[in-house]
Amino acid sequence: EAGVAQSPRYKIIEKRQSVAFWCNPISGHATLYWYQQILGQGPKLLIQFQNNGVVDDSQLPKDRFSAERLKGVDSTLKIQPAKLEDSAVYLCASSLGAGETQYFGPGTRLLVL
Amino acid sequence: AQSVAQPEDQVNVAEGNPLTVKCTYSVSGNPYLFWYVQYPNRGLQFLLKYITGDNLVKGSYGFEAEFNKSQTSFHLKKPSALVSDSALYFCAVRVPNSGYALNFGKGTSLLVTP
Repeated sequence: EAGVAQSPRYKIIEKRQSVAFWCNPISGHATLYWYQQILGQGPKLLIQFQNNGVVDDSQLPKDRFSAERLKGVDSTLKIQPAKLEDSAVYLCASSLGAGETQYFGPGTRLLVL
Repeated sequence: AQSVAQPEDQVNVAEGNPLTVKCTYSVSGNPYLFWYVQYPNRGLQFLLKYITGDNLVKGSYGFEAEFNKSQTSFHLKKPSALVSDSALYFCAVRVPNSGYALNFGKGTSLLVTP
């Protein structure tokens, strides 16, 4: 069974530029999560989708971050404009349903200069 | 708020010796607890979880964890450490809101020396 796929694996941008990350969850998984992991910290939830609907985006900085899961499968996370403090690893996870075990992708490492 | 704490930034153990990585929790209601491992430049891999039932939970790669309600702990253990177990370990608790996302601890770096 294929795992969670993410791209790109690495991205370097300058502050105030925009960037987008892509995630393809495990087939059949209805729930998709985006986490931000800053160096030296545990992952922090940014947004959670159930199919194509948002369940929880309370910790998403909505002035610069946006995410969508239009067809209930793939998802994109966008940052515009990026700040230095956005440098982190962005992890995508999926689960069969809310509350089920989450399986993580390899992450996208973002460096904002 | 549902949270976990990992009191040790790093744990060092010699290969072949038993290892313990500590985690304590603070939750209202019944806790749903998880352990994940992260190898360099890779995502988190699920090791095991406690939902209910037997306090000793067995997981992947020979790891197990003991749920202790009186001490509010969920320590990760392995009887005999391998060098390849060296990685970053995260304890997490499921948040019982509408989404059931995870709150993670800050992580514990495990170093197993030959």
